[in-house]
Amino acid sequence: EPEVTQTPSHQVTQMGQEVILRCVPISNHLYFYWYRQILGQKVEFLVSFYNNEISEKSEIFDDQFSVERPDGSNFTLKIRSTKLEDSAMYFCASSGSGKGGYTFGSGTRLTVV
Amino acid sequence: AQSVTQLDSQVPVFEEAPVELRCNYSSSVSVYLFWYVQYPNQGLQLLLKYLSGSTLVKSINGFEAEFNKSQTSFHLRKPSVHISDTAEYFCAVSPSGTYKYIFGTGTRLKVLA
Repeated sequence: EPEVTQTPSHQVTQMGQEVILRCVPISNHLYFYWYRQILGQKVEFLVSFYNNEISEKSEIFDDQFSVERPDGSNFTLKIRSTKLEDSAMYFCASSGSGKGGYTFGSGTRLTVV
Repeated sequence: AQSVTQLDSQVPVFEEAPVELRCNYSSSVSVYLFWYVQYPNQGLQLLLKYLSGSTLVKSINGFEAEFNKSQTSFHLRKPSVHISDTAEYFCAVSPSGTYKYIFGTGTRLKVLA
């Protein structure tokens, strides 16, 4: 069964550093997403991406964040100048039609120290 | 604004007993509805979805959910649970006009032997 692959599974970074979280969506999917889950809290929408541009973003997704699909297969989330409160599990997801349900990756646990 | 409420944070139930996990939502527009399951150290997996048509939807592993528009609910049920159903269950809505999901806080189902 096709999978969404996320790397790394766990990343520790120092406050103020930049991190790039990587995702390989399912190959024929067209819609891509990033969500995050702070420990003990709900899963929150960050951004959706379609046709090589951001289609929607939340209030959380400020100038500190950016997304890119650099080579047609990877989908990355960059966090500039990380803060302690960015510590969370970050989930990438993709879908074929946008409304039929996502396939999520296993997540990257980001720890900012 | 839309919101999703899962009133039960934890539900313990004995093996082979029935279970109902409650989900209510609030939205001023029509929504699509989803249940996702998260096993320990894994990503979110789509369990079932309501997009249109029959209000009763079923998964391949015996779960079902019924969309009740008047009560704005989408409760998840299973007539007989197994130990392997132990996981966290998330209800989510996707409002029309957007591809993002709004998640509830999750219900941890613990099946006891």
